[in-house]
Amino acid sequence: GIQVEQSPPDLILQEGANSTLRCNFSDSVNNLQWFHQNPWGQLINLFYIPSGTKQNGRLSATTVATERYSLLYISSSQTTDSGVYFCAVDLWDNFNKFYFGSGTKLNVKP
Amino acid sequence: GAGVSQSPRYKVTKRGQDVTLRCDPISSHATLYWYQQALGQGPEFLTYFNYEAQPDKSGLPSDRFSAERPEGSISTLTIQRTEQRDSAMYRCASSHREGGLAAYNEQFFGPGTRLTVL
Repeated sequence: GIQVEQSPPDLILQEGANSTLRCNFSDSVNNLQWFHQNPWGQLINLFYIPSGTKQNGRLSATTVATERYSLLYISSSQTTDSGVYFCAVDLWDNFNKFYFGSGTKLNVKP
Repeated sequence: GAGVSQSPRYKVTKRGQDVTLRCDPISSHATLYWYQQALGQGPEFLTYFNYEAQPDKSGLPSDRFSAERPEGSISTLTIQRTEQRDSAMYRCASSHREGGLAAYNEQFFGPGTRLTVL
């Protein structure tokens, strides 16, 4: 199956700092999503972004499908941004099976 | 409903017992997915339904795991003769699939069921 690698695995930020999270994938994908798993365990949809760039407030994401990576940008981080960020992809020939990366664990300190 | 709901939120059981987990997807969504998430890992695909059909069971770890969606809405995941290694978060997601080969398939997750097998 496809390999989905996220980096860095762990990240500690001071409140107000900016960061970039990366998701690399080993095959052509049909869909790509970014999720935030909050400290209560809920998976929150951040972006549905199979290609291109999207922005939502302090967050933005870019997917370059031809180069098989996606980036999630967090600007002016807040303590509520803490949690685990996952990217998930599915394949052109099997778009019902999502593959998740291992996540980036973010801790934003006040 | 407005979002995906799952019940129970927490389940503690003894090894060897059967458990059934429930998922109620977003009402307009045809496709429903089950995932298993071990502590510190990303969710892993178990199975999915398109209405009541179950085209892919490839992620189910063993024949002790089964899922059904008899009327194309609510789904259950049953684990028979539970083992300690079954302890995990079980997540359900639904999506409103559109399109043909290049399908829009944004998934929305429920809160999960935390299963602990003693």
